[in-house]
Amino acid sequence: DVKVTQSSRYLVKRTGEKVFLECVQDMDHENMFWYRQDPGLGLRLIYFSYDVKMKEKGDIPEGYSVSREKKERFSLILESASTNQTSMYLCASSLRQGLGGYTFGSGTRLTVV
Amino acid sequence: AQTVTQSQPEMSVQEAETVTLSCTYDTSESDYYLFWYKQPPSRQMILVIRQEAYKQQNATENRFSVNFQKAAKSFSLKISDSQLGDAAMYFCAYRSSPTYKYIFGTGTRLKVLA
Repeated sequence: DVKVTQSSRYLVKRTGEKVFLECVQDMDHENMFWYRQDPGLGLRLIYFSYDVKMKEKGDIPEGYSVSREKKERFSLILESASTNQTSMYLCASSLRQGLGGYTFGSGTRLTVV
Repeated sequence: AQTVTQSQPEMSVQEAETVTLSCTYDTSESDYYLFWYKQPPSRQMILVIRQEAYKQQNATENRFSVNFQKAAKSFSLKISDSQLGDAAMYFCAYRSSPTYKYIFGTGTRLKVLA
């Protein structure tokens, strides 16, 4: 069974901390994405990557950065966590070509206190 | 820019009945894809059904079907014979043909009543 694995299901961090959210996929997908999900706002794209070491900003990249050193791993970094970054974070991957939809991870519920 | 609108924040349906979730989108493109995703309380988002814009025939997957009206830019999801396991958040999503990014609606929470 293909999988997208997010390293933490729940995370509590302090304001100002540097936070790493990890995502690993085992499907050899080229594309990987980070979204945040907030009630009433749906899913908003933070960053995505369509190849190793490539990254592009999504709709809300401020306060975040990403790293993709290997094809299977896509990390989201909160440089200095703030309370307004408390949210559900979803990682997804997809093939570069074709109609295939996203495969999602289970999500990380991040609380910044 | 493309937008996706789900105007029903929450809906309820009796078990074994049929329910339709609405989705409208705005785009100037002619080639794109539309999707419905389901997010159960366990949080794993899964693909329910997809539709290519160039296909006139509505997609169907078992109890799930869509009503795709390209001119009206409408893409509703019909769930027949609703089951308790259908209770979830449902997201409508749009993908432009040449891009990798999806645009999601704000979601509809479906409750299934026993």
